[in-house]
Amino acid sequence: KNEVEQSPQNLTAQEGEFITINCSYSVGISALHWLQQHPGGGIVSLFMLSSGKKKHGRLIATINIQEKHSSLHITASHPRDSAVYICAVLPYSGGGADGLTFGKGTHLIIQP
Amino acid sequence: EAGVTQSPTHLIKTRGQQATLRCSPISGHTSVYWYQQALGLGLQFLLWYDEGEERNRGNFPPRFSGRQFPNYSSELNVNALELEDSALYLCASSADRDYGYTFGSGTRLTVV
Repeated sequence: KNEVEQSPQNLTAQEGEFITINCSYSVGISALHWLQQHPGGGIVSLFMLSSGKKKHGRLIATINIQEKHSSLHITASHPRDSAVYICAVLPYSGGGADGLTFGKGTHLIIQP
Repeated sequence: EAGVTQSPTHLIKTRGQQATLRCSPISGHTSVYWYQQALGLGLQFLLWYDEGEERNRGNFPPRFSGRQFPNYSSELNVNALELEDSALYLCASSADRDYGYTFGSGTRLTVV
């Protein structure tokens, strides 16, 4: 059974701080996604990774396939970064098809 | 380019009734995925449609069903509604899952 664990579950930080959210998973995957969910429910896809590192603005995502671990970093955090960040993995399906398996999310609050 | 659109935004139904939720994918996307996010729980994979066919379903009872139309839009039907079906239902589309997903804003279903 594929498990996706995120840490921390909740994180409150001050504006400007460097933020790290971690994601660990238990099975082989073909891709890992980082998603952002704002109050109201809409989800934005931030990154899709299968190896290495990606950067977009103040957001950086890394993945270590051997260790089955990924991190999402936010530099110079801002109150508008306050949201739930969700890690999701696409398991290898051996020719079949599976949907994403999601972590429970990290609830981030950035205080001014 | 229009994003993934879902309707209705909110839906209130009585236990035992049927609910129909709709999703229009991004133009050119042939795959539609449905997910359930119940209160306090992470996102759960429900159904995957591609080219008009159901390709896979998650661990949900048969009263959760759907279809995909020739224009790639999709319906999710939930029969014999139960109180625990109250959740945010999210639709995502992709042209190729190796290139990522785009999520809609969701339909919030409340069963009373």
